[in-house]
Amino acid sequence: DTGVSQDPRHKITKRGQNVTFRCDPISEHNRLYWYRQTLGQGPEFLTYFQNEAQLEKSRLLSDRFSAERPKGSFSTLEIQRTEQGDSAMYLCASSLPGRNSYNEQFFGPGTRLTVL
Amino acid sequence: SQQGEEDPQALSIQEGENATMNCSYKTSINNLQWYRQNSGRGLVHLILIRSNEREKHSGRLRVTLDTSKKSSSLLITASRAADTASYFCAEPNDMRFGAGTRLTVKP
Repeated sequence: DTGVSQDPRHKITKRGQNVTFRCDPISEHNRLYWYRQTLGQGPEFLTYFQNEAQLEKSRLLSDRFSAERPKGSFSTLEIQRTEQGDSAMYLCASSLPGRNSYNEQFFGPGTRLTVL
Repeated sequence: SQQGEEDPQALSIQEGENATMNCSYKTSINNLQWYRQNSGRGLVHLILIRSNEREKHSGRLRVTLDTSKKSSSLLITASRAADTASYFCAEPNDMRFGAGTRLTVKP
């Protein structure tokens, strides 16, 4: 257990439905990252936050995807009008960059999404 | 494009043997981190090697770093079935991962 939690762990939904995932980072970590991972591939970066500010978004993050971190603590990732191609593992990570840190990312267990 | 590229893509060995996997990267790095991912789980930090270090040990793990060749290697000695997983390398401040090396250790 890295201290990063994600909920739910599994989600099965029908095409066209909206889904929302939650990530709770390690409490003192101010950076939070979202990744998507498909079978046999490494994690693909989606977006990251520094506190509540969303600093970078990947081109993978289409208009149907939105992420928030309203109070700089937990974050949510919403996918609207899901498509079968959205089926993947969604990983969250957190880190604490700073003078005495190497900014290692600590990953949560992931949310596995299946779109039927 | 990925910053860290792992090689080989897949590796199958017998329990007790050593496993070596390599990581190459395109640009200069400050530090390099190795992760393990068991099937269907999140990534777990294994070991971080700093750019001014050439070798680092942690238990059965040995990591080397050659900044002139922009490459790193991870050696797992006396492998166990529980080492079966995918292994990734990444620079901590970079958000790009390669496809990883899928290690299978047969009992």
